[in-house]
Amino acid sequence: EAGVAQSPRYKIIEKRQSVAFWCNPISGHATLYWYQQILGQGPKLLIQFQNNGVVDDSQLPKDRFSAERLKGVDSTLKIQPAKLEDSAVYLCASSPRAKGGEDTQYFGPGTRLTVL
Amino acid sequence: SQQGEEDPQALSIQEGENATMNCSYKTSINNLQWYRQNSGRGLVHLILIRSNEREKHSGRLRVTLDTSKKSSSLLITASRAADTASYFCATLGFSNNAGNMLTFGGGTRLMVKP
Repeated sequence: EAGVAQSPRYKIIEKRQSVAFWCNPISGHATLYWYQQILGQGPKLLIQFQNNGVVDDSQLPKDRFSAERLKGVDSTLKIQPAKLEDSAVYLCASSPRAKGGEDTQYFGPGTRLTVL
Repeated sequence: SQQGEEDPQALSIQEGENATMNCSYKTSINNLQWYRQNSGRGLVHLILIRSNEREKHSGRLRVTLDTSKKSSSLLITASRAADTASYFCATLGFSNNAGNMLTFGGGTRLMVKP
């Protein structure tokens, strides 16, 4: 079974530029998550999709961050414009079941963003 | 703010020794999960313990949960150099929506010396 795919793996941009990350979840997984992990900290949930609808985006800085999940499969996370404090690893995860429960989240390798 | 807090933040042991990591959390939970993260990689799920369970084993891993103290511990027995990684606890709370939202702690960075 293929895992969660993310691209690019690394991205370096200057502040005020825009950047987009892509995630392809495990086939058939209903739920998709984007996390931000700042160096030395645990992941923080940014947004959660169930199929192509948003379940929770309460911690997403909506003035600069946006995300979409078209057709309930792939997802993109965009930052526009980027700030220095956005430097982090952006992790995508997916889980199989639509309803909250005990299903495991499967993580991709992440995209390491450096904002100069 | 993060729900779980791991203790210690860093741990260095010799191969063959046991490693114990602790996690404390603040609110009621549905379950608690432990994940491992190797440097530069994504997280890997290790073990899940439900709120009505007190202890669970998986291979060399042993997890305990004390809901009265809102704490959990992860024990890795007979550690190996390959166990070197960061370990995170994550709690699943109760939600009125269909979410499966985990809240992660800050992690324990474990180094196992050969």
